[in-house]
Amino acid sequence: AQRVTQPEKLLSVFKGAPVELKCNYSYSGSPELFWYVQYSRQRLQLLLRHISRESIKGFTADLNKGETSFHLKKPFAQEEDSAMYYCALRSGGGGNKLTFGTGTQLKVEL
Amino acid sequence: EPEVTQTPSHQVTQMGQEVILRCVPISNHLYFYWYRQILGQKVEFLVSFYNNEISEKSEIFDDQFSVERPDGSNFTLKIRSTKLEDSAMYFCASRTGTANIGYTFGSGTRLTVV
Repeated sequence: AQRVTQPEKLLSVFKGAPVELKCNYSYSGSPELFWYVQYSRQRLQLLLRHISRESIKGFTADLNKGETSFHLKKPFAQEEDSAMYYCALRSGGGGNKLTFGTGTQLKVEL
Repeated sequence: EPEVTQTPSHQVTQMGQEVILRCVPISNHLYFYWYRQILGQKVEFLVSFYNNEISEKSEIFDDQFSVERPDGSNFTLKIRSTKLEDSAMYFCASRTGTANIGYTFGSGTRLTVV
């Protein structure tokens, strides 16, 4: 069975400091990983998908299959980055559901 | 940018009553999903729907739950006899047939069972 682990419930950083939100996964197949962001009880918005290797709002994430990780990074945190961040894994077969981690609340302080 | 629309945004119902949560997915999307998020907990998969049938469902999705795409645009989640523990935020999501494209989520319906 697939599992996504986000070890930190809350991460507090100062504006301008680097950010790393941790995500580890467990999956027997070839993983497809995503990061979603949820601002203040709004809808879940796609931030990144590993397959596109893109950078959105200064965030990047690299899939490390050896460490089974997909950590989200940003070199300089901004106040508007404060939100809930969810790592998710897409499983194959069936309906290709997403399995979410428990989320990390990022708080950027001035 | 196209959106997934969910109605109502908030519904309060009495225990034992039936509720129907409505979703309008993005028009060219083929796969549809319901997720729920109990307050303070993670987002949990309920069911996926493709080609007018359920393709996968979780343990949570028992006989009290059903989904339907009645008219080719709406996608509904029905809870037959609500329980207190059904109180949660329910998210609808949809995606195209392209495997590596992200899923688009609606803004959710907050269901409160009293």
